Amino acid sequence: AQSVTQPDIHITVSEGASLELRCNYSYGATPYLFWYVQSPGQGLQLLLKYFSGDTLVQGIKGFEAEFKRSQSSFNLRKPSVHWSDAAEYFCAVGAGAAGNKLTFGGGTRVLVKP
Amino acid sequence: EPEVTQTPSHQVTQMGQEVILRCVPISNHLYFYWYRQILGQKVEFLVSFYNNEISEKSEIFDDQFSVERPDGSNFTLKIRSTKLEDSAMYFCASGGTLIAKNIQYFGAGTRLSVL
Repeated sequence: AQSVTQPDIHITVSEGASLELRCNYSYGATPYLFWYVQSPGQGLQLLLKYFSGDTLVQGIKGFEAEFKRSQSSFNLRKPSVHWSDAAEYFCAVGAGAAGNKLTFGGGTRVLVKP
Repeated sequence: EPEVTQTPSHQVTQMGQEVILRCVPISNHLYFYWYRQILGQKVEFLVSFYNNEISEKSEIFDDQFSVERPDGSNFTLKIRSTKLEDSAMYFCASGGTLIAKNIQYFGAGTRLSVL
C-alpha cells in the first residue's frame, strides 16, 4: 500500500529565509509525486509534480522539489519565502495511471514571521 | 483559468439526514474524484469516477455514499443518512485529459457539519 509521511507538522520561517519541507513516500513501483498548497479558505492548488526525467522539478510561485529514489523522498524547497507563502502544504503520491487515487501526507503548516 | 467549483461551501445538517454535495469539474476532464479531510487528519480518497461509473473506491465509501454525474456537467456526492463522523471537508477533484492524464485539480471544498 502506498503511504506518505510529512515529518514536520508546523514550520515557522522568517520572511526572506529559505524553506524546506520534507516528504517521504512508500510505494512499490515508480511513483508519481505531487506537492499541493492550501491557503486558508482555498482548495488544494498544485505546486509541482514529478513523473519521470530530471529529478529536480520546478513549480509555480518559485518552488522546486527534488526526487531522491534512494531516500524515497520528494522534498519541497523555496530559496526565499514571502509572507504569502503562509499556508498548508501537502505531499501526495499516485500510481500514475489516469484515474488513480492520490495518497496524501498529513500536511505541513508554514507560518511566516515578518 | 478553468477551475473546479463546489457548492455549498458549508453545509450543516442533522444526523440521519441526506446531503448532496455538488461539484462542477473542469469541462474537458474525464476523471472525477471525491476526497475528504476530517479535522486534524489526512486528506483521504473516497471514490473515482470515469465513463459514468465508479472506477475505484475506498473502504470509507460504503453503501451510505453514492456518486452521480446527472447531466454531464455536475458531479455529486450523496450521503444517505449522515453520521456525526461524516463531519469533514469534502474535496472534489477532476483530471485526466490527453495532455495531463495524471494531474488532479481540486475545488475549494465543502465543509460538512453533522449535528
